[in-house]
Amino acid sequence: NAGVTQTPKFQVLKTGQSMTLQCAQDMNHEYMSWYRQDPGMGLRLIHYSVGAGITDQGEVPNGYNVSRSTTEDFPLRLLSAAPSQTSVYFCASSTDRGFTGELFFGEGSRLTVL
Amino acid sequence: KNQVEQSPQSLIILEGKNCTLQCNYTVSPFSNLRWYKQDTGRGPVSLTIMTFSENTKSNGRYTATLDADTKQSSLHITASQLSDSASYICVVSARSSASKIIFGSGTRLSIRP
Repeated sequence: NAGVTQTPKFQVLKTGQSMTLQCAQDMNHEYMSWYRQDPGMGLRLIHYSVGAGITDQGEVPNGYNVSRSTTEDFPLRLLSAAPSQTSVYFCASSTDRGFTGELFFGEGSRLTVL
Repeated sequence: KNQVEQSPQSLIILEGKNCTLQCNYTVSPFSNLRWYKQDTGRGPVSLTIMTFSENTKSNGRYTATLDADTKQSSLHITASQLSDSASYICVVSARSSASKIIFGSGTRLSIRP
């Protein structure tokens, strides 16, 4: 069972470069989200989507864009990377925003911005 | 302000010993509380989920307790194994028109042989 698949696992960027973190799930979940995890801090919500064509901002959305053209895919775009975006990024999906159901996480994408 | 605080930040115990991790929260109105296990380099995986009316939930050697009056939860690990080495994250959901999920910063548990 694939669950939530994230690519790439590791990426090094230079300041100002752009890139897209990919996320795909095969559980037919309507809700998908992106989090970043920094040392000593809890996971923080970047953007989320409650269905195809619907996205919204989370707690720390600045510098990131998302789109949701299909139920399965939810890519996260960094338009102009900054060192402050060095972090581990997790994609998660759920049946109901994760409030009552379980959040299923991907394996994470470790991003370093030089 | 909705917050979830975990203690200790890190813990080292010998294999076979028991341990208890703590979670205090100020999230309101409370919906549910989960404990997740995160192995190094992996994504978090759910261990237990408890609603307001539940005060104990077990998953194998993991037992979570919830005291909704004092807004405290604990995760007790019995007869620890090397594979229990991981971060344990307490996650609390708020029930409101703008429902939120608040993550604690985790407890890093290391099991020594």
